[in-house]
Amino acid sequence: DGGITQSPKYLFRKEGQNVTLSCEQNLNHDAMYWYRQDPGQGLRLIYYSQIVNDFQKGDIAEGYSVSREKKESFPLTVTSAQKNPTAFYLCASTPLSHYGYTFGSGTRLTVV
Amino acid sequence: QQQVKQSPQSLIVQKGGISIINCAYENTAFDYFPWYQQFPGKGPALLIAIRPDVSEKKEGRFTISFNKSAKQFSLHIMDSQPGDSATYFCAANGAGAAGNKLTFGGGTRVLVKP
Repeated sequence: DGGITQSPKYLFRKEGQNVTLSCEQNLNHDAMYWYRQDPGQGLRLIYYSQIVNDFQKGDIAEGYSVSREKKESFPLTVTSAQKNPTAFYLCASTPLSHYGYTFGSGTRLTVV
Repeated sequence: QQQVKQSPQSLIVQKGGISIINCAYENTAFDYFPWYQQFPGKGPALLIAIRPDVSEKKEGRFTISFNKSAKQFSLHIMDSQPGDSATYFCAANGAGAAGNKLTFGGGTRVLVKP
């Protein structure tokens, strides 16, 4: 079955650590997105990418980094510069000609 | 900054009742307005969507009403069922030089009581 796989489902980060969240899709979608979800604040865009080797900052990119070396993969690194990283992170993808996103099941990141 | 404002934050409805969620936007360049349904611990799933040249769209028990002049749109859930208990997000698509991206409302938690 085609879909988006996010891993791990739960992730714990120590202060000062960088962690990387994985997002892989086998839908042959060109565009991929990372959103952060906090209670009562909806989904906020971190980074997005329309094609391989190119990506754009979203509304809350500070403290995060991404890469897009393959069409299928769009990993997100939460750096130590992100002061409040505890949140639910969602990856999504869509064909360029379509606006409806397909979301993964999310990664819940907690700082310990 | 582009914004989509959603209300209410939460609502409780009896089984068989109507759930109504409202959204308002500012950017007239938005060209696609989807609604997503999210269950706890899961990613959102596309429920229904509308374009601004249409005033209403219905799919089963779910209806979007769109008022372009007022820059508002709403989701109606008819004959609400306990299985509809979830968080609902409205969104709006903005097309730019760097591609399309959705801006989401803050979400509405719906509880349908049996």
